[in-house]
Amino acid sequence: GDSVTQMEGPVTLSEEAFLTINCTYTATGYPSLFWYVQYPGEGLQLLLKATKADDKGSNKGFEATYRKETTSFHLEKGSVQVSDSAVYFCALSDRGLTGGFKTIFGAGTRLFVKA
Amino acid sequence: DVKVTQSSRYLVKRTGEKVFLECVQDMDHENMFWYRQDPGLGLRLIYFSYDVKMKEKGDIPEGYSVSREKKERFSLILESASTNQTSMYLCASRSRDTDYSPLHFGNGTRLTVT
Repeated sequence: GDSVTQMEGPVTLSEEAFLTINCTYTATGYPSLFWYVQYPGEGLQLLLKATKADDKGSNKGFEATYRKETTSFHLEKGSVQVSDSAVYFCALSDRGLTGGFKTIFGAGTRLFVKA
Repeated sequence: DVKVTQSSRYLVKRTGEKVFLECVQDMDHENMFWYRQDPGLGLRLIYFSYDVKMKEKGDIPEGYSVSREKKERFSLILESASTNQTSMYLCASRSRDTDYSPLHFGNGTRLTVT
């Protein structure tokens, strides 16, 4: 079945450091890929997405490129801020058995950014 | 703005009780989902529905059932609650049955089974 694997956390960085959170996937079809973020005390919200190979999703300084050849969708940011401290979830959306689309999430990676 | 409302923020139930978790969305979304969120395991899909009265099992459906009688409401049912169902339950909805429209989440129901 479909699955998403992302690097274990927590990841602790100093402000202005470079961030990479690795994400790889397995899917039976050709999925769309997503990063969601959960800030402390809040619900999950979409950060960025990519729907086909070589697409780059970007938002709030974060980027991720859909790499079909390596089945990866790594999240990057050039200079993190304390306000980026959150849990980041990689996800894919693929067709289920009865035809509807389902979204599968990774385990999440907690990021702490120190001032 | 899309609003997904879960009926309870915190719930405490006893082992063996029948438990209903309710979720309502106000944006006429076709697709609705139930996940549970556990530390180190992320979000795991329990059930989803892409139309009224339609449902499909997710990755961990055992011990759960769902009901979708109206488009705006998706209920998760624990027929006989057990302690291993203590978790945070998240409901989500999506506007179209495509693979690229994002999910909109409720704030979650933290269920404790004693």
